[in-house]
Amino acid sequence: KNQVEQSPQSLIILEGKNCTLQCNYTVSPFSNLRWYKQDTGRGPVSLTIMTFSENTKSNGRYTATLDADTKQSSLHITASQLSDSASYICVVSANAGGTSYGKLTFGQGTILTVHP
Amino acid sequence: SAVISQKPSRDICQRGTSLTIQCQVDSQVTMMFWYRQQPGQSLTLIATANQGSEATYESGFVIDKFPISRPNLTFSTLTVSNMSPEDSSIYLCSVELRLHTEAFFGQGTRLTVV
Repeated sequence: KNQVEQSPQSLIILEGKNCTLQCNYTVSPFSNLRWYKQDTGRGPVSLTIMTFSENTKSNGRYTATLDADTKQSSLHITASQLSDSASYICVVSANAGGTSYGKLTFGQGTILTVHP
Repeated sequence: SAVISQKPSRDICQRGTSLTIQCQVDSQVTMMFWYRQQPGQSLTLIATANQGSEATYESGFVIDKFPISRPNLTFSTLTVSNMSPEDSSIYLCSVELRLHTEAFFGQGTRLTVV
């Protein structure tokens, strides 16, 4: 069964500090891994998307890493801001082959709270 | 990118009634997806809405409870029928512009059934 596990479940940090969120997956066959940010009361917004051959990708203060061998990913947030307070969801897409849609498996999310 | 307009953004409904949620995309897309996000949980796929054919439902979701329409390539509706308090959730529509690329989500519909 395809699964995505995220840790920690929640995290509180002070503004300006860095943090790293973890994601382990057992999705096969693998297509890509995505990190989304979901603000309270809003839909998820894409931060990064990585394929098998990519092991790091940045989007501003967000840097995602991918180790396809160990099936682990991390999302590093640098110099956190109050607006970073949100749920961060790791999502893995399975490769259904050809032009078929690959189903997404969602992690439970890490709730990040940034305090002033 | 894609801009998705979903409405209503929230509603409080009486049990036994039905609510139809609308999803409008600013570009033509082949497949649209409907998700449910229960409190404190992650997203669960309800069904894939295909234009010109019946929606494809995931295990645990049935057409009688969650009928879906997809009249054209930019619009879809999801109806939550005969609601009970267990249906209280956030419902989201989503699209992918191209296969295996990022998904775009609507802002969600927060449904409370009393």
